[in-house]
Amino acid sequence: DAGVIQSPRHEVTEMGQEVTLRCKPISGHDYLFWYRQTMMRGLELLIYFNNNVPIDDSGMPEDRFSAKMPNASFSTLKIQPSEPRDSAVYFCASSFISSREVRETQYFGPGTRLLVL
Amino acid sequence: GESVGLHLPTLSVQEGDNSIINCAYSNSASDYFIWYKQESGKGPQFIIDIRSNMDKRQGQRVTVLLNKTVKHLSLQIAATQPGDSAVYFCAENRWRGNNRLAFGKGNQVVVIP
Repeated sequence: DAGVIQSPRHEVTEMGQEVTLRCKPISGHDYLFWYRQTMMRGLELLIYFNNNVPIDDSGMPEDRFSAKMPNASFSTLKIQPSEPRDSAVYFCASSFISSREVRETQYFGPGTRLLVL
Repeated sequence: GESVGLHLPTLSVQEGDNSIINCAYSNSASDYFIWYKQESGKGPQFIIDIRSNMDKRQGQRVTVLLNKTVKHLSLQIAATQPGDSAVYFCAENRWRGNNRLAFGKGNQVVVIP
């Protein structure tokens, strides 16, 4: 089992540039979450999807942030234009609900470390 | 710019001793709780979970205790090892019918060899 896969693992960019973060959830999982982690605010939920549909994007900081999930095995988080305050570690996580047992456990990817100069 | 970071509670423990990490939650309707471990430079890793119909659950070297009366969750690590040094997060499911979790701020555990 490969777990949640994120790319790139590290990203350094200049202010104003577009940044695209990618996530492949665990096969069979029907929930996908995007989080941001900083020293200031800890782990923040940005947006989450269920069956590829965005359910709650109230955590998205502003219109510069957008997320898509075109299919069950792929999601992107895009920042355009990027700003220095967007520097953080961005995590993707996935989970599932089975017909026999409700399991809310989220499995996290290794994260993308973003630095905006 | 901002200069004050998140100051995590820190537990320093001697290698071989037992560790206890505590977490308070606020929503009495929460029915599912998880402990995660996050090592430096990595994503949070699932350790153990517990449902609200249980008071205690044991795993390998870890035990989670749930006290619903005072809305308190704890993680006990037996015979703490250097590899246990990490930030530990508790998380709760407050929203019935979906998989969203609310995460605590985290507790730093430092194991002294």
